[in-house]
Amino acid sequence: DARVTQTPRDKVTEMGQEVTMRCQPILGHNTVFWYRQTMMQGLELLAYFRNRAPLDDSGMPKDRFSAEMPDATLATLKIQPSEPRDSAVYFCASGDPGRGELFFGEGSRLTVL
Amino acid sequence: DAKTTQPTSMDCAEGRAANLPCNHSTISGNEYVYWYRQIHSQGPQYIIHGLKNNETNEMASLIITEDRKSSTLILPHATLRDTAVYYCIVSLSNDYKLSFGAGTTVTVRA
Repeated sequence: DARVTQTPRDKVTEMGQEVTMRCQPILGHNTVFWYRQTMMQGLELLAYFRNRAPLDDSGMPKDRFSAEMPDATLATLKIQPSEPRDSAVYFCASGDPGRGELFFGEGSRLTVL
Repeated sequence: DAKTTQPTSMDCAEGRAANLPCNHSTISGNEYVYWYRQIHSQGPQYIIHGLKNNETNEMASLIITEDRKSSTLILPHATLRDTAVYYCIVSLSNDYKLSFGAGTTVTVRA
């Protein structure tokens, strides 16, 4: 079964530390999304890429967050420095526009103390 | 993207059909209706999508009204494993930007 793989599954860190979350999209999918989910805000779109080019990162705090796709098999979301309000579950999703279906990973749960 | 309105929660008996309504009165002509669900602690899962016609797959059926201002997701024989938050989303198919609202928390009871 093809699936989106995210690492780490759980991360606990201290305020001010750098955090990097990684995502391996499904092979052949050309669109990759990063979402964040909290109890208060629900699922929020942070950024997305098509053919490795960033299309929209307006949902992302620019001063501390950055998202990249170094190659077609890897997407990264970096937070530097991290803050307690960044505590959330971060989901990566990939898909092929026109097919109608986005595949989500299991998420990376981040806790910033 | 057009906004959607869903009931906050609903209960359903195991083995019965679950009918989940969604209002999207401001949907534009080229926007699709998508349904996803999220089982506790998992990533959202695609269920079905449609533009104008009713759609059916192995998971569910999607009924879209003729004026496209509302739709209903039907789970034909709900099981306990269908307990989840169900999201109705409207979006352009070539955009793929899905904006998730609060969804409907569906609890299937034995």
